[in-house]
Amino acid sequence: DTEVTQTPKHLVMGMTNKKSLKCEQHMGHRAMYWYKQKAKKPPELMFVYSYEKLSINESVPSRFSPECPNSSLLNLHLHALQPEDSALYLCASSQVPDSYYGYTFGSGTRLTVV
Amino acid sequence: SQQGEEDPQALSIQEGENATMNCSYKTSINNLQWYRQNSGRGLVHLILIRSNEREKHSGRLRVTLDTSKKSSSLLITASRAADTASYFCADTGNQFYFGTGTSLTVIP
Repeated sequence: DTEVTQTPKHLVMGMTNKKSLKCEQHMGHRAMYWYKQKAKKPPELMFVYSYEKLSINESVPSRFSPECPNSSLLNLHLHALQPEDSALYLCASSQVPDSYYGYTFGSGTRLTVV
Repeated sequence: SQQGEEDPQALSIQEGENATMNCSYKTSINNLQWYRQNSGRGLVHLILIRSNEREKHSGRLRVTLDTSKKSSSLLITASRAADTASYFCADTGNQFYFGTGTSLTVIP
């Protein structure tokens, strides 16, 4: 298995909702990442998990809460989001943090906040 | 800023032509990676060039690296309509930050 699987592919949520994005990989990668991407912009790093521990938080608002229950799974819990949080959320993994071998990306979750 | 800058921002060519895009950093470059992103999809790793390499080939892709100029270029030869995508560079030494991207359109 050489994929990163993200679910759901699309999500529409209200500003008072609580939802979660899920990311899974079975490549034995020990680093996992969340990125946010707005249209026509590069992906922006949000969080880095290294060996299941949060190693980087790019000053992301607390309405985004990451969780790494095990080495294969990464969640992003969403609560009280704003319309400007609408974006493509990408998960990625790599063998180790800052990997020479590059990152493997999922296809993303298209999030719309209404 | 740790982010790389790419130029051109947008490039439109005819099928069969070559496409060249450039990436530059304000800080020193370590190992540079290039990624492709089809519209609304995840990024796909294309090629990595080490800091001690000057040129690397993979199929129709040719990447060069000039550490003294802190820049890299990606050449796609004999372009195809399927090459239409956004292309991003990322320097592993700058940890996880992507360049601003080049949007390539290949016209059949």
